[in-house]
Amino acid sequence: DAGVTQSPTHLIKTRGQHVTLRCSPISGHKSVSWYQQVLGQGPQFIFQYYEKEERGRGNFPDRFSARQFPNYSSELNVNALLLGDSALYLCASSPFESAGGNQPQHFGDGTRLSIL
Amino acid sequence: EDQVTQSPEALRLQEGESSSLNCSYTVSGLRGLFWYRQDPGKGPEFLFTLYSAGEEKEKERLKATLTKKESFLHITAPKPEDSATYLCAVPTDSWGKLQFGAGTQVVVTP
Repeated sequence: DAGVTQSPTHLIKTRGQHVTLRCSPISGHKSVSWYQQVLGQGPQFIFQYYEKEERGRGNFPDRFSARQFPNYSSELNVNALLLGDSALYLCASSPFESAGGNQPQHFGDGTRLSIL
Repeated sequence: EDQVTQSPEALRLQEGESSSLNCSYTVSGLRGLFWYRQDPGKGPEFLFTLYSAGEEKEKERLKATLTKKESFLHITAPKPEDSATYLCAVPTDSWGKLQFGAGTQVVVTP
């Protein structure tokens, strides 16, 4: 079975531009989460979506937004890019069979975003 | 405030030299603790879930244990292919929002 797939794998943008990152979850998984990982740190939570509804939002500015589509795929959008937005953006999916938060999330290999 | 702290930051081992990684956590109402392995340029790869104190899980040369305040990942007789960054994470709400530690970078030399 295919794992979580993300596109593009690498992206170079300049300050002030806009970017859209895409994620396809594992088949049958209904929950998608987005994380930002800078070098030398653990991933930081950005958003979680389940059944197309936002279920959680991390401590990120309003320049960050996301959505989930009826087929459970998801997009992360970042406006007015800053140098500090350079990072690895990870998407994770889980089946979310019941509330509790205790099912493991499975990650894609991320999109490496570089801001010049 | 929910917090996850991993130690050491980095670990250099000779092949066959066993060691342990630590993950201490502060979270209200433990819903589980996850261990992941991350190779350079890749996303985290799920290894284990531990749900309650006293629980242990094993996979090849890795063994994870859990107490009420911390978890250990034991690497027995490591091989160079065990070189990676090991991350632990805890869910901080019922939707599964994960709080990660900064990771332990393990290098195993032949």
